[in-house]
Amino acid sequence: DVKVTQSSRYLVKRTGEKVFLECVQDMDHENMFWYRQDPGLGLRLIYFSYDVKMKEKGDIPEGYSVSREKKERFSLILESASTNQTSMYLCASRDPANYGYTFGSGTRLTVV
Amino acid sequence: KQEVTQIPAALSVPEGENLVLNCSFTDSAIYNLQWFRQDPGKGLTSLLLIQSSQREQTSGRLNASLDKSSGRSTLYIAASQPGDSATYLCAVNSGANNLFFGTGTRLTVIP
Repeated sequence: DVKVTQSSRYLVKRTGEKVFLECVQDMDHENMFWYRQDPGLGLRLIYFSYDVKMKEKGDIPEGYSVSREKKERFSLILESASTNQTSMYLCASRDPANYGYTFGSGTRLTVV
Repeated sequence: KQEVTQIPAALSVPEGENLVLNCSFTDSAIYNLQWFRQDPGKGLTSLLLIQSSQREQTSGRLNASLDKSSGRSTLYIAASQPGDSATYLCAVNSGANNLFFGTGTRLTVIP
């Protein structure tokens, strides 16, 4: 089974800090995704990557950037954290054989 | 744009009961549909993946069906258990690089 690992379950950061959220998958999948989940808004796509060093904006990329230097690792970067970025962040990878998604366990980020 | 709706939003049943969760989507041109489970504060766990050419998939006490032409999927849970309590999400893959999620059904199984 595919495993998607998010390095932090909970993070508390201060406004203005630069924040890195890390995600690693173990199945050599090319496609990886970052979502945020908020009550009443559901899951929204922030960025995705279809290969090393390749990235595309999702529906809500403002205030975020990403890095994909190795195929197994996809990082989400909050350039200057703000309180409205307090959320649950979920990383996923997609199996090219069946287009099934595997999600990580999530990172609950609180910006104070 | 694909819109996905799940009914009911919340469901409470006694242990042992069989139940059905519903998912409907507006655009039948889908690649596949995936059912997930989410426990409070946790990530999404994939339960079943149905390709557009399939009618149903089964895993243990779970059975998911897909009627693409009518834009509907159901998740059937047999002999429910308290451990089944969670939020269930359906997600439609329309072939682009995004999933369209439903609003979820919060299930409570009462011992």
